[in-house]
Amino acid sequence: GGIITQTPKFLIGQEGQKLTLKCQQNFNHDTMYWYRQDSGKGLRLIYYSITENDLQKGDLSEGYDASREKKSSFSLTVTSAQKNEMAVFLCASSHWGSSAETLYFGSGTRLTVL
Amino acid sequence: DAKTTQPDSMESTEGETVHLPCSHATISGNEYIYWYRQVPLQGPEYVTHGLQQNTTNSMAFLAIASDRKSSTLILTHVSLRDAAVYHCILRGNSGGSNAKLTFGKGTKLSVKS
Repeated sequence: GGIITQTPKFLIGQEGQKLTLKCQQNFNHDTMYWYRQDSGKGLRLIYYSITENDLQKGDLSEGYDASREKKSSFSLTVTSAQKNEMAVFLCASSHWGSSAETLYFGSGTRLTVL
Repeated sequence: DAKTTQPDSMESTEGETVHLPCSHATISGNEYIYWYRQVPLQGPEYVTHGLQQNTTNSMAFLAIASDRKSSTLILTHVSLRDAAVYHCILRGNSGGSNAKLTFGKGTKLSVKS
């Protein structure tokens, strides 16, 4: 078994601030993902990475940057936090190219912007 | 645009068997049916998946209609720990489009003691 660790669990920022969220996985998975979940809504894909140093934009990439520093870690940066923004950011990982990719999720980073 | 349709909520009592329905009338041939569940303050947890045949594991039984346009997740002997939002989603078998995992609102399952 493995685990996905997201840090921090809770993040409070100021409007206009640049904020970085981190994710580590020990599954040895190739692919990692960042999703955003707003209250009562489904998940929306921000960025994903098929392998180390790869980056692919999702549907919600505007306002975010991402970095796949190594196979086990994937960071997400909110380039300019929006006032009153509240959301949960979920990191996930999976094996790339398998016939049925199962995604494993971390427990999330909860962002509040004052 | 959601590719699956689920009831917003369902209720059950501990020890009962629960049938959670999902409609996916426009499913394509290479799409798998995945089920995840999510409890507050946690990320989604994988439950099961299938392509065409019914599948079973320690968590649930997945019944897939012969035309694949609907499926039912069956939870036996539910406990309070099974209370969660259950998401039914479709995924292709590989490629970048897989990453665009479309989670809708899911079905909120409540379990009474």
